[in-house]
Amino acid sequence: QVHLQQSGPGLVRPSQTLSLTCAISGDSVSTNTAAWNWIRQSPSRGLEWLGRTYYRSGWYLDYAVSVKSRITINGDISKNQLSLRLNSVTPDDTAIYYCARDQDWAFDFWGQGTLVTVSS
Amino acid sequence: QTVVTQEPSLTVSPGGTVTLTCASSTGAVTSGNYPNWFQQKSGQPPRPLIYATSNKHSWTPVRFSGSLLGGKAALTLSGVQPEDDAEYYCVLYFGGSYWVFGGGTELTVL
Repeated sequence: QVHLQQSGPGLVRPSQTLSLTCAISGDSVSTNTAAWNWIRQSPSRGLEWLGRTYYRSGWYLDYAVSVKSRITINGDISKNQLSLRLNSVTPDDTAIYYCARDQDWAFDFWGQGTLVTVSS
Repeated sequence: QTVVTQEPSLTVSPGGTVTLTCASSTGAVTSGNYPNWFQQKSGQPPRPLIYATSNKHSWTPVRFSGSLLGGKAALTLSGVQPEDDAEYYCVLYFGGSYWVFGGGTELTVL
């Protein structure tokens, strides 16, 4: 059974960087059969896919156009975890952030969610 | 900007059947959009129900089914139960290597 455990601060100041991690158990971040995604949810934006990384003899990345200039997603093989960095945050980035696995076009396992509030 | 549209709200009686749809602003939804469907209740992460149009997860109740219908992805609930009262979301994959979620359908069982 795959389990995704998220961690990171719940409060970030405007213009600072949001950083979250997603520890993976029951699978490997470097598996060649899955991709690892970050998704967020807010009342104003609904569910929004932010991006993904996957390993196929090398790391690949896809990012949503809406955040492409500010986002970095990394897979850490040594820690078997996924990370998200979102720069220059504003209150509009306030949301619940989720990590999720997609394997064979199925979003099957999700993290518990982390509420991140952007406020001074 | 790609937009995925769902019915904002639907109401169904217990034991009834209801179909939720998921449309794309780029044209007809096809199997190549790999539609996924999720159920979400307050305070919980989305719970996956259907993937790649019509495939069920091992935990998906039999009464849920997915299909393509009239150029849209569709989720049908047959024999609706009170516990099916929830928000339902679809997500579609687009060839530029990105996913887009729909705005969600609030399903009321009444």
